[in-house]
Amino acid sequence: GPKVLQIPSHQIIDMGQMVTLNCDPVSNHLYFYWYKQILGQQMEFLVNFYNGKVMEKSKLFKDQFSVERPDGSYFTLKIQPTALEDSAVYFCASSSHAEQFFGPGTRLTVL
Amino acid sequence: GEQVEQLPSILRVQEGSSASINCSYEDSASNYFPWYKQEPGENPKLIIDIRSNMERKQIQELIVLLDKKAKRFSLHITDTQPGDSAMYFCAVEGASSSFSKLVFGQGTSLSVVP
Repeated sequence: GPKVLQIPSHQIIDMGQMVTLNCDPVSNHLYFYWYKQILGQQMEFLVNFYNGKVMEKSKLFKDQFSVERPDGSYFTLKIQPTALEDSAVYFCASSSHAEQFFGPGTRLTVL
Repeated sequence: GEQVEQLPSILRVQEGSSASINCSYEDSASNYFPWYKQEPGENPKLIIDIRSNMERKQIQELIVLLDKKAKRFSLHITDTQPGDSAMYFCAVEGASSSFSKLVFGQGTSLSVVP
C-alpha cells in the first residue's frame, strides 16, 4: 500500500540545538500532518499543511516549531531551539481524502 | 477542542473470544471515525473506519458500530488471535476545521492469551 517515509528514524540532540525531521509523503497526496506521541500515550495533532501553507496548528505547536515543503521535496518539521519536553516520537502523515497514512516515526531524544 | 474518551485502557481476552473497545466524542458534527492498530515501535495502521452516514461496518473479524445520537462508536474484534495483541486507538476527524485533523483516544492495550 501507500508508504510514508521518515528520516531519520532516531535522533539524539542536546537541549537548545536545532533539529529537522524529514518526511517523504505519499506521492499524490496533498495534505500533510505532524503528530507527536509520548511513550505510552496517544498521538496528538501538531499541525496540518496544504498548498504550501499551515492550515491549522494545535497548542502543542510552539513558536519554536516550523514546517515547510520547499519545491515539493521533503515535508519538514524544524524545532529551534529544542527543549527536554520535545522528546517524543514524531509521526508524519499524509492524505488525499479522509484516510491518513502514517510514516514509521522519528524518535527524538533531547538531552 | 474535541476530546475523545476511550475505554478500557487495558483489555485481556482469551484466544477465540471477542474483544470490545468503546469511544465517545463531543463534537456532533464529526463525520469520520477511523480505528488504528499500533504494534510496539511501529507506526499506527488503519484497520477499519466508518463515516457518519453508516451505523455498522464489518471487515472480516472487525466490526465497527456508530451511534451518532449518543456520540459513541465501538470496535469489536471477533474470534481474537494472538496476532491481534497490540495498542488500538480510536480517532475522530475534527469537524470544526476545513482540513481534517485526527483527535485520538487514549488507546487500549489488547492482549490475547492462548
